[in-house]
Amino acid sequence: DSGVTQTPKHLITATGQRVTLRCSPRSGDLSVYWYQQSLDQGLQFLIQYYNGEERAKGNILERFSAQQFPDLHSELNLSSLELGDSALYFCASSVGTGSYEQYFGPGTRLTVT
Amino acid sequence: AQKITQTQPGMFVQEKEAVTLDCTYDTSDQSYGLFWYKQPSSGEMIFLIYQGSYDEQNATEGRYSLNFQKARKSANLVISASQLGDSAMYFCAMRGYGGYQKVTFGTGTKLQVIP
Repeated sequence: DSGVTQTPKHLITATGQRVTLRCSPRSGDLSVYWYQQSLDQGLQFLIQYYNGEERAKGNILERFSAQQFPDLHSELNLSSLELGDSALYFCASSVGTGSYEQYFGPGTRLTVT
Repeated sequence: AQKITQTQPGMFVQEKEAVTLDCTYDTSDQSYGLFWYKQPSSGEMIFLIYQGSYDEQNATEGRYSLNFQKARKSANLVISASQLGDSAMYFCAMRGYGGYQKVTFGTGTKLQVIP
């Protein structure tokens, strides 16, 4: 158990819908990272927050957004969902923004039908 | 821009033997970090080892060592004394430091340990 929690574990929804994925980092970790893992795209870095502020951005679509709240939990919002958004979404946390060791959560499996 | 290349989609190794998983990278950053992660069939991502670009010594963590050759831009993972539980996908990744840096992953290598 990495100490990072993600909810829900599984999510099935229809195209065009909007969903919110939630992540609670390990106690004491200030950075949260979001990743998408799909069969065709592999593991893609989406975005990083550090202590509430956006710190780095990867291949995140405009339909996706994220935020980190004062209690350091983070949410990833996915809107106007398409079939291609079906993937495993990981959250990871680390102590600092440049820290090398990231602890991954168990992931949320999103299926868009 | 950063790029990670893992040229071995799949590998087999005999139990108790050592195995090397290849990783080459490309970056214009002067300072960066290289990582290896393990993903078992259960799906979780497990951090294995880290190497900083300015570290002169190769990183080691138990049975894992990172063979870092900066001039060749390679960061190969060496697993000694393979165990059945080592069967998994292995991902190489990198991140620059300073400024607004993103994390880049390779496509992974599927390792299967044979009894």
